[in-house]
Amino acid sequence: QITLKESGPTLVKPTQTLTLTCTVSGFSLSSSGVGVGWIRQPPGKALEWLALIFWDDDKRYSPSLRSRLTITRDTSKNQVVLTMTNMDPVDTATYYCTHLTTLRWAFDIWGQGTMATVSS
Amino acid sequence: SYVLTQPPSVSVAPGKTARITCGGNKIGSKSVHWYQQKPGQAPVLVIYYDSDRPSGIPERFSGSNSGNAATLTISRVEAGDEADYFCQVWSTSIDLYVFGPGTRVTVL
Repeated sequence: QITLKESGPTLVKPTQTLTLTCTVSGFSLSSSGVGVGWIRQPPGKALEWLALIFWDDDKRYSPSLRSRLTITRDTSKNQVVLTMTNMDPVDTATYYCTHLTTLRWAFDIWGQGTMATVSS
Repeated sequence: SYVLTQPPSVSVAPGKTARITCGGNKIGSKSVHWYQQKPGQAPVLVIYYDSDRPSGIPERFSGSNSGNAATLTISRVEAGDEADYFCQVWSTSIDLYVFGPGTRVTVL
């Protein structure tokens, strides 16, 4: 059974850096065709894709947020980490970690999400 | 950037059919995925590659895609289908996953 679980701070101050960790189980981050993505959703609003890392360490970023995002993985810990710099109140959102395979190119398994609020 | 449009809301009586559209320029040439999100929960993939269903998704959920619109159809609607539905495509032109604004389905 594939599961993903997000963790990170619930409150971040403006201009600070947000660091989120996704711990996965039931699959290997190194398995061919596997990807892990981050998607966020401000309260009451739509989903927004942020970043994606593939089994071969290939990385993709949302063009509008590319300068602020970094996605990395630690295969020994089964973790994917997303950092977002220069946080602003508009970045307040629930952040989801998701599983993807190149068979479907869809986010087929989602974590429960973690809410991050940006406020001084 | 590639923009998707969805109606904000759709209302349907139990047992009837709900159709949710997702508009985009030549979206018929792209692969469309659909997600269901119930209040307080993470989204769930209900349709991928325009019309395929993941295991565990009822056959009442179906999809189509042609021209400038993709459609998610929910047949024999049940109270448990009340949720927000988001369409999503991969925009190869700028290497970006794009989500639609979402449609709230209300079961009357």
